[in-house]
Amino acid sequence: DQQVKQNSPSLSVQEGRISILNCDYTNSMFDYFLWYKKYPAEGPTFLISISSIKDKNEDGRFTVFLNKSAKHLSLHIVPSQPGDSAVYFCAASMNYGGSQGNLIFGKGTKLSVKP
Amino acid sequence: SQTIHQWPATLVQPVGSPLSLECTVEGTSNPNLYWYRQAAGRGLQLLFYSVGIGQISSEVPQNLSASRPQDRQFILSSKKLLLSDSGFYLCAWSMGLENTEAFFGQGTRLTVV
Repeated sequence: DQQVKQNSPSLSVQEGRISILNCDYTNSMFDYFLWYKKYPAEGPTFLISISSIKDKNEDGRFTVFLNKSAKHLSLHIVPSQPGDSAVYFCAASMNYGGSQGNLIFGKGTKLSVKP
Repeated sequence: SQTIHQWPATLVQPVGSPLSLECTVEGTSNPNLYWYRQAAGRGLQLLFYSVGIGQISSEVPQNLSASRPQDRQFILSSKKLLLSDSGFYLCAWSMGLENTEAFFGQGTRLTVV
């Protein structure tokens, strides 16, 4: 049973436009959410995170929105650049029961930004 | 600054052979350590995590095992590889505190033939 779901395996966006990557989760105990970016044959790199006490976190071109009632978060990239083309993983963790720091990942969304 | 080293980068092993992947972290003490596997269509799956020397927790039953002989060393092993063990293996570390990210190594592409 997948606790973190990224239902779109791929997304194609024109350079300069907004990229919106979506993520849903089922476990209401999750209280910290992260986005990672991954290039082929490399380890994922941390991009941005949000605590469950917030509904928005912004870092440059990247903004993450959290809707706790809908158990949904999204990553917005504005403006999108060709170098943003990668697989984006949504991850969640809960600070409960000794599981601090264990990240549960979605399957990833492959973003292609076309020049 | 903290760094994480994972090796080898690629590995081709015959079915039934043993496996040993090593991961070391520098620049921090008592990190949480993780082994993940990226398999097609399954995202990043947590295999093992460790909160201290000799402490290993397994998330999924499998043909693999993990050990932590030193504070900053995490080893993924198998006595006899299966074809289904092929995949991209990633080591990661975190501070194990609330609301912190994990940092990943470069990964090992394992092909079992």
